Amino acid sequence: SQQGEEDPQALSIQEGENATMNCSYKTSINNLQWYRQNSGRGLVHLILIRSNEREKHSGRLRVTLDTSKKSSSLLITASRAADTASYFCATDAFNYGGSQGNLIFGKGTKLSVKP
Amino acid sequence: SQTIHQWPATLVQPVGSPLSLECTVEGTSNPNLYWYRQAAGRGLQLLFYSVGIGQISSEVPQNLSASRPQDRQFILSSKKLLLSDSGFYLCAWTRGRIGEQFFGPGTRLTVL
Repeated sequence: SQQGEEDPQALSIQEGENATMNCSYKTSINNLQWYRQNSGRGLVHLILIRSNEREKHSGRLRVTLDTSKKSSSLLITASRAADTASYFCATDAFNYGGSQGNLIFGKGTKLSVKP
Repeated sequence: SQTIHQWPATLVQPVGSPLSLECTVEGTSNPNLYWYRQAAGRGLQLLFYSVGIGQISSEVPQNLSASRPQDRQFILSSKKLLLSDSGFYLCAWTRGRIGEQFFGPGTRLTVL
């Protein structure tokens, strides 16, 4: 089964609104990462948060991590049409059968920002 | 700076035909290399990873194989494609064990 699960599966908002996506995972982690994928393209790394961190910011992105609940959220503030993409969380789960830096990806949230 | 290339960008192949997808990385040495497959509307499934030349680990038993003939070259192959091999194939690399993965542009494979 998937280590990471994002919700919602799809999110449609107006430009200027904030978008919040959530990710839940099952086992202990070293870190959690968020990636973005434009349609038909490769993934682009957005932000990495370590297991001993609770919050991290990068520009209009804010990521939180709650290891007690095994969950993370990605907030995009003041969204733009160009933010339209799929967003994936990925965990580096050191005891989920992974090794050598393997990441376990969720199924993603498809964000649509309407102008 | 580092770059990662994949080719071809798109490929349409008949069932039973062979496959060879290539991935190369520039600007770094001894990267960890990964092959993923993404089915439509789904997350990424790790297929193979490699920590060095000739060292391949398979995550999922399947119709595919991988090889790493050179430090920065990673090849995904099949002797006979199945319909279920259709998907979007992504190559990625990392420095070391933990951290950001850098993805290539992907290859869209359609098996008819």
